[in-house]
Amino acid sequence: EPEVTQTPSHQVTQMGQEVILRCVPISNHLYFYWYRQILGQKVEFLVSFYNNEISEKSEIFDDQFSVERPDGSNFTLKIRSTKLEDSAMYFCASHRDSYNSPLHFGNGTRLTVT
Amino acid sequence: GENVEQHPSTLSVQEGDSAVIKCTYSDSASNYFPWYKQELGKRPQLIIDIRSNVGEKKDQRIAVTLNKTAKHFSLHITETQPEDSAVYFCAPSMDSNYQLIWGAGTKLIIKP
Repeated sequence: EPEVTQTPSHQVTQMGQEVILRCVPISNHLYFYWYRQILGQKVEFLVSFYNNEISEKSEIFDDQFSVERPDGSNFTLKIRSTKLEDSAMYFCASHRDSYNSPLHFGNGTRLTVT
Repeated sequence: GENVEQHPSTLSVQEGDSAVIKCTYSDSASNYFPWYKQELGKRPQLIIDIRSNVGEKKDQRIAVTLNKTAKHFSLHITETQPEDSAVYFCAPSMDSNYQLIWGAGTKLIIKP
């Protein structure tokens, strides 16, 4: 069964550094998402992406965040200048269409900002 | 925006007994009601979902019931097993707004 893949599984970075989290959604999926989950807390929506543009974003997704689909397969989340509070698990997800198709999650990237 | 609440926050049941987790939501336009299971350190995985034109859906030991009038839906797990121990999240949404606002999660503990 096809899966959403995320790399790296764990990223450690110093405060103020830029990080790029990478995702390869399932190939015939059209809608892509990034979520984050601070340890022990709920899943929080960051951004959704469709037809090569952002369709929705949350208050968390401020100017420090950006997403890109540089080619036909990768979907990246960039944090320009990381803060301690950015430490979390970041999940990429995708689904095929907006109705009657389930959301598929990647295994996540654990980001630790020191 | 959508306000989502889950109850209880923690549920401990004896193996073999049933577990019920409830999710209430505020947006009457919501029409998609999924439940996700997240084991420790792993990704959320969809275990069952229901759409607003259906009142109940069952898949082996798992069922979801929906009360659109009262704006809540529930996850039912029967004959619980140790591998059911996890955190369960509800995430109601609309097709036009598929970002999924998540509940805070319910930690289900199955006691042997």
